[in-house]
Formats: sequence, C-alpha cells, structure tokens
Amino acid sequence: DAGITQSPRYKITETGRQVTLMCHQTWSHSYMFWYRQDLGHGLRLIYYSAAADITDKGEVPDGYVVSRSKTENFPLTLESATRSQTSVYFCASSDRGGANEQFFGPGTRLTVL
Amino acid sequence: GENVEQHPSTLSVQEGDSAVIKCTYSDSASNYFPWYKQELGKRPQLIIDIRSNVGEKKDQRIAVTLNKTAKHFSLHITETQPEDSAVYFCAASLEGASKIIFGSGTRLSIRP
Repeated sequence: DAGITQSPRYKITETGRQVTLMCHQTWSHSYMFWYRQDLGHGLRLIYYSAAADITDKGEVPDGYVVSRSKTENFPLTLESATRSQTSVYFCASSDRGGANEQFFGPGTRLTVL
Repeated sequence: GENVEQHPSTLSVQEGDSAVIKCTYSDSASNYFPWYKQELGKRPQLIIDIRSNVGEKKDQRIAVTLNKTAKHFSLHITETQPEDSAVYFCAASLEGASKIIFGSGTRLSIRP
C-alpha cells in the first residue's frame, strides 16, 4: 500500500540517543496509530491519534513521544533510547478508528545497542 | 479495558487440512472482531472481519465464527495451502472506539 509509508526502514542507534521514526499517509485518514511488535507480544499500541493535534496513550507509552501537527504525518520519538526499545515499529491509519480496517505501513526495524 | 487472548501460539498442519485459531475477549461490549495476516517480513493485512450482528462470515477458504455469549471467536482456514503460512492476529474493538486491541498472534505453518 503506497498510501502509508515509514522511514527509515532500518535504524541502528545507541542507548541514550534520541530517535524519530516517521510515518506519512496520503489517504487523509483521521486516525493514526503506532505499534511495536515483539516476539510473543503481538502488536502493542504505543500511541494513537484521532485527528491533528489530538493524541492519546496506548498500552505501552513510556519512553515515547508523539505529535500530529498535520493529518498526514505522525512521527514517533524515542527521547532517550533504551535496549528494551529494540523492536519492529508499525504505523497504521484508519478512517474510522478502532472498529474499522487499519492499514499498516511497512515497518521500521529499530536496534538499540 | 479490553483484553484479547489468542491460542495456540504456534500451529502446524498438513497441507490440505484445516486450521483453527481461537480468541477470547474480556469486554462484553466489544462488537468488531477482525483478523489480520502477517507474512514473514511483511506488514499485517486484514483478511476478514465480523461484527456482532452476525455469527459467521465466510470468504472462500476462510471463515470466522463469533459466540458473543461465551466471548470468543475463531478463524477457520480450510484446504490449507503453502501461502497460508503466516502469523495471524485476532483483535477486538467497539463501534465508535478509537483503538483496537490485538491478540498475541498465532504462527501457522503448513507442512507439504
């Protein structure tokens, strides 16, 4: 789905550094989500946004910051990366929130050394 | 809040046989139950969903059943093929809710 993209696709960083993962969608979907995927834990919601300038915490928000100044962009920042944040991060979007199909981006594989 | 449990975590079936993955949810108000398939190295994609006004929904070789009284729903794949090998996630949400809760996933392997 070319409509939702993530960058970078792969990132290696060191403990303590700040990292920003980008997510961009072209459908003008109201809702956007950030998930992390770890073996045995499935997809865990970090943060979500119902519209520009509206964000809310998910299941595992600690250590992450989000913003949504424009409908199409939803960046995720790790303010001071830790090894436990090594994961695959997926961004997703939906036009009607939880009870509707979510379209996932290709993912970002983040390694924190 | 909602909690979704999924089992088994891994499942291996012979090609041509059927596979069943089961999920239970905790919030009786939930009324939307999708299933996502994630092939190796790819993104999750919706394969089928069901809303609580129906008990079963089919799409070719896949079907989902819902038992609201017991708060569980299942994915059934018949005549399995090699391309069915993937991780499958169930999820639950409520109409009008902002988010959805995913199960922990089932890794399905199809033996030739």
